[in-house]
Amino acid sequence: AQSVTQLGSHVSVSEGALVLLRCNYSSSVPPYLFWYVQYPNQGLQLLLKYTTGATLVKGINGFEAEFKKSETSFHLTKPSAHMSDAAEYFCALSNSGYALNFGKGTSLLVTP
Amino acid sequence: GAGVSQSPRYKVAKRGQDVALRCDPISGHVSLFWYQQALGQGPEFLTYFQNEAQLDKSGLPSDRFFAERPEGSVSTLKIQRTQQEDSAVYLCASSGDGGFEQPQHFGDGTRLSIL
Repeated sequence: AQSVTQLGSHVSVSEGALVLLRCNYSSSVPPYLFWYVQYPNQGLQLLLKYTTGATLVKGINGFEAEFKKSETSFHLTKPSAHMSDAAEYFCALSNSGYALNFGKGTSLLVTP
Repeated sequence: GAGVSQSPRYKVAKRGQDVALRCDPISGHVSLFWYQQALGQGPEFLTYFQNEAQLDKSGLPSDRFFAERPEGSVSTLKIQRTQQEDSAVYLCASSGDGGFEQPQHFGDGTRLSIL
């Protein structure tokens, strides 16, 4: 069975502060891992993905994530939060090669 | 168009009515996916098409849910005899292939409310 757990349904950071959104996974086979962002009333936009190779993955808008097999984690970070980063963030995995299995999401609030 | 288009954006129906939700994928995209997103939850996989073939429908919650993609482009998700628990946002995504070398592009969804 495969699953994704996002720790913290709500995270609040100050503008300019480090963003850290946590994601742990469970998978019986090496997974593909993803982070998506969702703005209100919109669909999901891919931030970054890990398939194979380098474990530190860089994505759009200054985000990056590190795949740590020993910790079964794929946490999302950004050095300096911007007001426009406020959104819902979803971690997802797949080991089927197509269907995505999403976590419940983390709502990021950025305060001035 | 440039992206995945879903219609209608909002749909209100009375319990027991049938509804049809449309998805126009990005032109040329082989793979098409439907997901259901309940309030405050992450999307859940419903079904997957490669061209006109429905390769996986394991996520469809009941036999009231039916999806088709007869010509390998536009897809319709139909829900018969709707129930209140069907209220959710239905997301469609498409990709150039079934793997992850090309990402899934999502539409803005159809918000379905069952009264």
